[in-house]
Amino acid sequence: GAGVSQTPSNKVTEKGKYVELRCDPISGHTALYWYRQSLGQGPEFLIYFQGTGAADDSGLPNDRFFAVRPEGSVSTLKIQRTERGDSAVYLCASSFQRGGNYNEQFFGPGTRLTVL
Amino acid sequence: LAKTTQPISMDSYEGQEVNITCSHNNIATNDYITWYQQFPSQGPRFIIQGYKTKVTNEVASLFIPADRKSSTLSLPRVSLSDTAVYYCLVGDGSRGSGYALNFGKGTSLLVTP
Repeated sequence: GAGVSQTPSNKVTEKGKYVELRCDPISGHTALYWYRQSLGQGPEFLIYFQGTGAADDSGLPNDRFFAVRPEGSVSTLKIQRTERGDSAVYLCASSFQRGGNYNEQFFGPGTRLTVL
Repeated sequence: LAKTTQPISMDSYEGQEVNITCSHNNIATNDYITWYQQFPSQGPRFIIQGYKTKVTNEVASLFIPADRKSSTLSLPRVSLSDTAVYYCLVGDGSRGSGYALNFGKGTSLLVTP
């Protein structure tokens, strides 16, 4: 079946601009996660949704970052006034609420964001 | 979340068995041990999970001693395509799927002919 998809695969923007990154989770997965991965580092947690609500947004670095999941499926990560330090690969993952392996999240291929 | 420590990198030749050990001295009673694999330009992929003793699947084996303060991921007869970063994670299994994963830097495995 279809996995997690993310669009765009690459995004180049200029410092100060606004960007939106989209994630389509696996159908039926109630939990959705955003991570950010810098070169040479492991993924770093940003925010987690259970259904439509953000259950944990403790990883968002500051108020320039915001994410929504209005219908409990697709999610959009929004970054305002981008800075060069925001350059990274943004990964989305989804998982079952129950069943399957604990801690098993299914990741998309990521969106590579470059802020010039 | 329990902190994990694993080697930064490892090298192996094709056909050899590779064992990657992870230390997690502060593991809690409800914590499960999970390993993910990440290829370049891809998201991480779940490979195996265990609570105690030994778990084996079609990809790898996971050995967990009785005190659970460490675990070893074993990859039998590696091939070039096993070159990847391997992450050891420890987290609360009683909470099901709903919480952040703490990846750390992982172990970069390079397999050569």
